[in-house]
Amino acid sequence: DVVLTQSPLSLPVALGQPATISCRSSQSLVFSDGNTYLNWLHQRPGQSPRRLIYKVSNRDSGVPDRFSGSGSGTDFTLQIISVEAEDAGVYYCMQGTHLPYTFGQGTRLEIK
Amino acid sequence: EVQLEESGGDLVEPGRSLALSCATSGFPFENYAMSWFRQAPGKGLEWLGFIKSRSRGGQREYNASLRGRFTISRDDSAGIAYLHMNFLRADDTGTYFCALGGAAALWGRGTLVFVSS
Repeated sequence: DVVLTQSPLSLPVALGQPATISCRSSQSLVFSDGNTYLNWLHQRPGQSPRRLIYKVSNRDSGVPDRFSGSGSGTDFTLQIISVEAEDAGVYYCMQGTHLPYTFGQGTRLEIK
Repeated sequence: EVQLEESGGDLVEPGRSLALSCATSGFPFENYAMSWFRQAPGKGLEWLGFIKSRSRGGQREYNASLRGRFTISRDDSAGIAYLHMNFLRADDTGTYFCALGGAAALWGRGTLVFVSS
């Protein structure tokens, strides 16, 4: 199975400051069709996950433009330009290239 | 508005079966794959499997860790996806989510399954 390793696992950030989360894959996530199926999801306490980014860098509808995704191959990054209070929660990367689809361990973003 | 709502979660004894439903609205269900995920209490997310649309062959894929105990099906006329779970174990306890598409574009709120004697 593909192992996704996120870092850091805990991320305290002050309001208005930037945040960066890394996701490293145990193998390339480039699919045979040329796409890279790496998503980022956000889960607030007591809520279901919400997908923010798909195929590395595409923001889902309604996702603020302070969120951006980048990367290629095995190394990916989620960046938040300026953290807001509603951004607290756990962030997961998820790969949909290789079966079984797998998730990173999650990064808990806490507002300082 | 696209909506997904899981139901069927319950307290069940080890070894028993349970079926979950995912009722949908707001999009052409028959054109989309549907996925299932779960989350053990206080833990991360786990992909269980998906079922493709009939137009794309209706293929089903599962997490091999389930060892064939779970089956996903769909009723296109009703806009419902199902997760049938057999031989439930204590470590199947958790919140079960359905999601739109193989890439999990939108998630339901989840339904809780508790396996215990």
